Amino acid sequence: GAGVSQTPSNKVTEKGKYVELRCDPISGHTALYWYRQSLGQGPEFLIYFQGTGAADDSGLPNDRFFAVRPEGSVSTLKIQRTERGDSAVYLCASSPRGAETQYFGPGTRLLVL
Amino acid sequence: GEDVEQSLFLSVREGDSSVINCTYTDSSSTYLYWYKQEPGAGLQLLTYIFSNMDMKQDQRLTVLLNKKDKHLSLRIADTQTGDSAIYFCAEITDGQNFVFGPGTRLSVLP
Repeated sequence: GAGVSQTPSNKVTEKGKYVELRCDPISGHTALYWYRQSLGQGPEFLIYFQGTGAADDSGLPNDRFFAVRPEGSVSTLKIQRTERGDSAVYLCASSPRGAETQYFGPGTRLLVL
Repeated sequence: GEDVEQSLFLSVREGDSSVINCTYTDSSSTYLYWYKQEPGAGLQLLTYIFSNMDMKQDQRLTVLLNKKDKHLSLRIADTQTGDSAIYFCAEITDGQNFVFGPGTRLSVLP
């Protein structure tokens, strides 16, 4: 079956612009996670959804970052007033239950100029 | 706070065994994971171990957990060139928050 998909695969934007990154989880997976991976580092947790609600958003670095999952399936990560330090690969993962079986998408590589 | 550490690089010869080590700090970890990441690809779950186990074997992969020392290792038997990748250790604690290590880059030499 289809895995987790993320669009776009690459995004180049200018400092100060707004971007949206999309994640399509595996069908039927109730849990969805966003991570940020900077060059040479491991993924860093951002936010976790169980269904439509954000169960844990403690990893969001500041209020420029926001994520939604209105129908409990597709999720969008939104970044306002982008900064050069936001450049990273943004990874999405989904899970049928809890975090012990997370399946990752290929990521969106964001570059802020 | 939570912290996961790994050595950054490992080189082995094809056919040898690879051992990738990881240490973590949170004693309340419930599951510990090994993920593989190849260039330009997403993270692939290799295996995971529940914290009340001390060993798990899956084909060429053996995971050892020393809970007292908070040490996790991944042994890859008969390492092949296709095993060249970055390997991430990760833990999950009482929440749903994954904490990843920095990754170990495994290079397999012919």
